[in-house]
Amino acid sequence: EIVLTQSPGSLSLSPGERATLSCRASQSIPSSFLAWYQQRPGQSPRLLIYGASSRATGIPDRFSGSGSGTDFTLTISRLEPEDFAVYYCQQYGNTPYTFGQGTKLEIK
Amino acid sequence: EVQLVESGGGLVKPGGSLRLSCAASGFSFSTYVMNWVRQAPGKGLEWVSSITTSSNYRYYADSVKGRFTISRDNAKKSLFLHMNSLRAEDTGVYYCATELEAFDIWGQGTMVTVSS
Repeated sequence: EIVLTQSPGSLSLSPGERATLSCRASQSIPSSFLAWYQQRPGQSPRLLIYGASSRATGIPDRFSGSGSGTDFTLTISRLEPEDFAVYYCQQYGNTPYTFGQGTKLEIK
Repeated sequence: EVQLVESGGGLVKPGGSLRLSCAASGFSFSTYVMNWVRQAPGKGLEWVSSITTSSNYRYYADSVKGRFTISRDNAKKSLFLHMNSLRAEDTGVYYCATELEAFDIWGQGTMVTVSS
């Protein structure tokens, strides 16, 4: 099983600032089958990034993903008020598919 | 409108059974691999099970293997999760999700509570 470790566990920033979230895998993820999701309170998760760096349909270009192998990053260039939420990374290359434990992005 | 709607959740005693359903609309259901993902109260996301388009392959998390069964009816655009021998640790919101480019579309979830 591929274990995903996200850091930091929580991040306190102000609107307009840049956020950098990390996801590290216990082994290399095949073909960069790494995704990022956003979950706002009381809502279902929403796909942001797939294939490590491709934005899903309708996702603003302030969201970007990068990385390969075992180290991946989600960057939000300029935080908007609606971006404060929990973010999860996921590997979907091999079953069991696994998620990271989440990073909570809070308003400072 | 592209939509997934889960149903069938509720309160069940430990050892009991439940059948969850997921109704799809607005897209070609039969061409998508489908998944169930759950989330315990206040916790993160946990993948539960996956089924391929023609039901040829089914995959399960170790935590539910032998107790849960995933199935689908492409003619009725529906996904199911049959849950047996339920435990307290199965409590949570259960989401169905499509899999094309990662987990693209998610339902709103249905709550399962296992408690005596």
